[in-house]
Amino acid sequence: SQTIHQWPATLVQPVGSPLSLECTVEGTSNPNLYWYRQAAGRGLQLLFYSVGIGQISSEVPQNLSASRPQDRQFILSSKKLLLSDSGFYLCAWSDGGEAFFGQGTRLTVV
Amino acid sequence: GENVEQHPSTLSVQEGDSAVIKCTYSDSASNYFPWYKQELGKGPQLIIDIRSNVGEKKDQRIAVTLNKTAKHFSLHITETQPEDSAVYFCAASIGGSQGNLIFGKGTKLSVKP
Repeated sequence: SQTIHQWPATLVQPVGSPLSLECTVEGTSNPNLYWYRQAAGRGLQLLFYSVGIGQISSEVPQNLSASRPQDRQFILSSKKLLLSDSGFYLCAWSDGGEAFFGQGTRLTVV
Repeated sequence: GENVEQHPSTLSVQEGDSAVIKCTYSDSASNYFPWYKQELGKGPQLIIDIRSNVGEKKDQRIAVTLNKTAKHFSLHITETQPEDSAVYFCAASIGGSQGNLIFGKGTKLSVKP
């Protein structure tokens, strides 16, 4: 069966520090991979999606970037965090149908 | 841009009553409509979905209806239980691609025992 791992679960980082959140998927090949951000009262906002290794599409301009170095690995990064980057980040995968979510990372930028 | 409107933002019902959450979408090419349940501190989990060639789908106490002409779809939960309390999100596929979803803002459902 397929599983998705996302870490860390919580993270507190100072403004201006770098960020790296990692997501890996098991039990499937060539999945579509996604990073979402969830802010209070604003639902789930799609940040990036990837249909293959090295292929990244950005949905909104922002201070973040994404990379897919391996088929089942998706990384969300920032060189310098802003206060506004605080939020709940969710990784997800799909095979073209429903999306399966990781448990999320609560990021607090202080 | 494309969007999904979800109402209400909060919903409080008595145990045993029914709960209805409604969504409208703007992309006429959307053909896949999942509903997710998110418990506190966890990722969303799919509870039911419907595709554009079906008008209604039911799974035990949960049902979803779709009106493609009006571009709206609804989640119905009957005989609600306290464990149904959570945030529910509707979503619609973007541009006919089932893998890319646009989400509503969520409905916080509280079921009072």
